[in-house]
Amino acid sequence: DQQVKQNSPSLSVQEGRISILNCDYTNSMFDYFLWYKKYPAEGPTFLISISSIKDKNEDGRFTVFLNKSAKHLSLHIVPSQPGDSAVYFCAASVDSGGSNYKLTFGKGTLLTVNP
Amino acid sequence: DTGVSQDPRHKITKRGQNVTFRCDPISEHNRLYWYRQTLGQGPEFLTYFQNEAQLEKSRLLSDRFSAERPKGSFSTLEIQRTEQGDSAMYLCASSLGTGEEETQYFGPGTRLLVL
Repeated sequence: DQQVKQNSPSLSVQEGRISILNCDYTNSMFDYFLWYKKYPAEGPTFLISISSIKDKNEDGRFTVFLNKSAKHLSLHIVPSQPGDSAVYFCAASVDSGGSNYKLTFGKGTLLTVNP
Repeated sequence: DTGVSQDPRHKITKRGQNVTFRCDPISEHNRLYWYRQTLGQGPEFLTYFQNEAQLEKSRLLSDRFSAERPKGSFSTLEIQRTEQGDSAMYLCASSLGTGEEETQYFGPGTRLLVL
């Protein structure tokens, strides 16, 4: 049972435009969400996170939106750059005794930014 | 400041052999995690340490797998009697261990191929 779903395996955008990556989850106990970027042959690199008490978090070109009622989050990248081309993973965790330790990941979305 | 390091980066072994991987976390981090990633999937949680104590093991971690973190610093993951289904990327991550909503930082991974 896939608790975190990234339904788009791939996304292609033009340089300078907005990239929107989507993620849905089924476990209503998830209360912390993260986005990671992964290049081939490297480990995932942390991008941005959001707590369930917020609906938006912004860091430079990256903004994450959380819609708890829809169990949906999205990552916006504006403007997109060719160096953003990578696989993006959505991850979620549950507060277990004061610690969010087990991340549940989606399958990832391959973003290609064309010059 | 160095990030999470893993050794070796690649390992090819024959079915039935034992293999051991090492992870060195970020120096001030007292939580350490192991994940496994197979082709087309996101990383899957295997186990987690708080200092030297192993606090949770996923059911993915069969009896052939053992992880240790003897002095609360580096960790090893051993797979005994490897099987072809063990072929995957093994990722290590660490976090500060100060409480909830922690960000996990990943190493580059060890890619295992079992022939």
